[in-house]
Amino acid sequence: NAGVMQNPRHLVRRRGQEARLRCSPMKGHSHVYWYRQLPEEGLKFMVYLQKENIIDESGMPKERFSAEFPKEGPSILRIQQVVRGDSAAYFCASSPQAQGYGYTFGSGTRLTVV
Amino acid sequence: SQELEQSPQSLIVQEGKNLTINCTSSKTLYGLYWYKQKYGEGLIFLMMLQKGGEEKSHEKITAKLDEKKQQSSLHITASQPSHAGIYLCGADSGTASKLTFGTGTRLQVTL
Repeated sequence: NAGVMQNPRHLVRRRGQEARLRCSPMKGHSHVYWYRQLPEEGLKFMVYLQKENIIDESGMPKERFSAEFPKEGPSILRIQQVVRGDSAAYFCASSPQAQGYGYTFGSGTRLTVV
Repeated sequence: SQELEQSPQSLIVQEGKNLTINCTSSKTLYGLYWYKQKYGEGLIFLMMLQKGGEEKSHEKITAKLDEKKQQSSLHITASQPSHAGIYLCGADSGTASKLTFGTGTRLQVTL
C-alpha cells in the first residue's frame, strides 16, 4: 500500500511562472490537506479538500493560489505567477476520515523560485 | 486560534543520553500528534495522544499528555544518532481536521 505520493520532489520556477504540485493520497483516503513549510518556520495549514470539494481554505493566500481534488486523479496545488516568497516545502497529507485520524504525510515538494 | 510552543528549539545531546522535548498549547488539546522530520524529507508519524494522562511508547520514545490536556512531552531514552532530526508536535482543535504545528525542536546526537 503506497503512502502519500507527491511529485515532483523538487521544482524550480522563474518568477512569474506557474507551479503545479501534485498529491496522490493513500489508497482509501478521501481527505487531503496541504501545508506549507517556509524556511526556518513550522508547518502552516493551507487547505483541506475532499473529492471535488474544498472544505476549508482558511490558510490559503487570497491571490495566486488554488487547489483542487477532482473525482479522478491527484489533488493539485497551483501557484500562479510565483514570487521568491513562495519558495518553500509544500506537504500533502491524507486521512481516511475527518478529525485527523490516520493522518499521513507525503515527502513534500520543494519549490524554489529563482 | 490555537498556538503551540515547543521547547527547547534546539538540542544537542551525546549518544546514550536521555532527553525531553515539550509542547505547550494555548488551548485544550483534543488530539496531539508527534512527528519526526529529517532534513529534506517528509514527516514520519510517531504517536498520537488523546486522553488526559495518556502515555504511549514506541521503542525508546515515550510521549505523554498531561491531565489538563494542554501540554505534552516527548522523552527519548538512550539517544542514538538515528534519533537526530526535527521533532514536531501537531494539535487537533477538535472542531476541524487541520492540524496546528509547533515550530519544531531540532535534535542533534553527537558520538
